[in-house]
Amino acid sequence: SAVISQKPSRDICQRGTSLTIQCQVDSQVTMMFWYRQQPGQSLTLIATANQGSEATYESGFVIDKFPISRPNLTFSTLTVSNMSPEDSSIYLCSVEGGGGGGIQYFGAGTRLSVL
Amino acid sequence: QKEVEQNSGPLSVPEGAIASLNCTYSDRGSQSFFWYRQYSGKSPELIMFIYSNGDKEDGRFTAQLNKASQYVSLLIRDSQPSDSATYLCAAPSGGYQKVTFGIGTKLQVIP
Repeated sequence: SAVISQKPSRDICQRGTSLTIQCQVDSQVTMMFWYRQQPGQSLTLIATANQGSEATYESGFVIDKFPISRPNLTFSTLTVSNMSPEDSSIYLCSVEGGGGGGIQYFGAGTRLSVL
Repeated sequence: QKEVEQNSGPLSVPEGAIASLNCTYSDRGSQSFFWYRQYSGKSPELIMFIYSNGDKEDGRFTAQLNKASQYVSLLIRDSQPSDSATYLCAAPSGGYQKVTFGIGTKLQVIP
């Protein structure tokens, strides 16, 4: 399994500002994923980040709102831009577990509150 | 839209009992299924995966897959209060390594 360091673990932000979340993995991985988990809800995939190419966004998520960087095989960032209270959520990064089976390992998550 | 359906619970069982968690899925082409456990305030962690029809056992956990009925279950024997968590069912959703998660079933094991 991979060890994933995600930071910040939590933040309280003002409306209209942006927050960048970082995800560092202890080994090289091809695919990294960014999820949102709203209170009482399951995980919703925001985008898939593949090193060296543009991130692939899921329906309902756009690059202007959630820009993603993937500069190398061990690191990615997600920015939540122009935040509103509706962006208050837990944001999680994950990496593929290998074997082609869809196993994923998660970072500890970032708990975001927007005032 | 490929879906994974779970009852959100809570499911309450007494300590020592068998907890049965269920999941249905819409994509008949799905070949593999995953159970993740998420403690309150924590991130999900993989506890079981199953690829073949039938049962797969790992300690106190047994995953069951019935592809004809599009049904996956997780049995937890001798439930402990430390098993109290939300259990997420997941299945591949198309695209390399992508998975779709169910809403999760909250399990409460009562001492």
